[in-house]
Amino acid sequence: DIQMTQSPSSLSASVGDRVTITCQASQDISNYLNWYQQKPGKAPKLLIYDASNLETGVPSRFSGSGSGTDFTFTISSLQPEDIATYYCQQYDNLPRAFGQGTRLEIK
Amino acid sequence: QVQLQESGPGLVKPSETLSLTCTVSGGSVSSGSYYWSWIRQPPGKGLEWIGYIYYSGSTNYNPSLKSRVTISVDTSKNQFSLKLSSVTAADTAVYYCAREVLVRGFWYFDLWGRGTLVTVSS
Repeated sequence: DIQMTQSPSSLSASVGDRVTITCQASQDISNYLNWYQQKPGKAPKLLIYDASNLETGVPSRFSGSGSGTDFTFTISSLQPEDIATYYCQQYDNLPRAFGQGTRLEIK
Repeated sequence: QVQLQESGPGLVKPSETLSLTCTVSGGSVSSGSYYWSWIRQPPGKGLEWIGYIYYSGSTNYNPSLKSRVTISVDTSKNQFSLKLSSVTAADTAVYYCAREVLVRGFWYFDLWGRGTLVTVSS
């Protein structure tokens, strides 16, 4: 099975900051990686698919990059509504696997 | 607008079988473009994929749960269901049903239910 490792597990940043989260796969997954945002008490929401493609309707301050085993998720200018937990997820193989999540807080 | 809604008991006793149903409204579970999935999230923890079913009945399960999981589909009721046997406290979680879609070679979960908390306790 493919293991997904995110870092950091939590981070605190100020409004307007640039925020970066990394996700590492235990083996090459090409570009087959998605990013989700989960707000407290809600289901996850797709933000980025295929490592770098922005889902329709998602603000352009969100972006993703990477391929192979190393991936990055970036918020260019943190907004108060971005407070959430973010998950990466691979779909190169079964079983589908998520990272352990990165909890984002406002300073 | 397609929606998913989980239903089932919120409390299950240890060693018994957890049973949940996901009702698809505004769309058809028989559409060939989707896999219908179950995903769970223990309180305060991350997401774990349980498995999926295709409308034809073809399934795939997470090996970590495979011996205890059954996912089925009822196209006449536009529903799919999860059964997890021999539950323990470790199975306490919010259970989500979700739709996985294939678009231009990309797979992603584009639609989720609101989730239902199942607690395993005597």
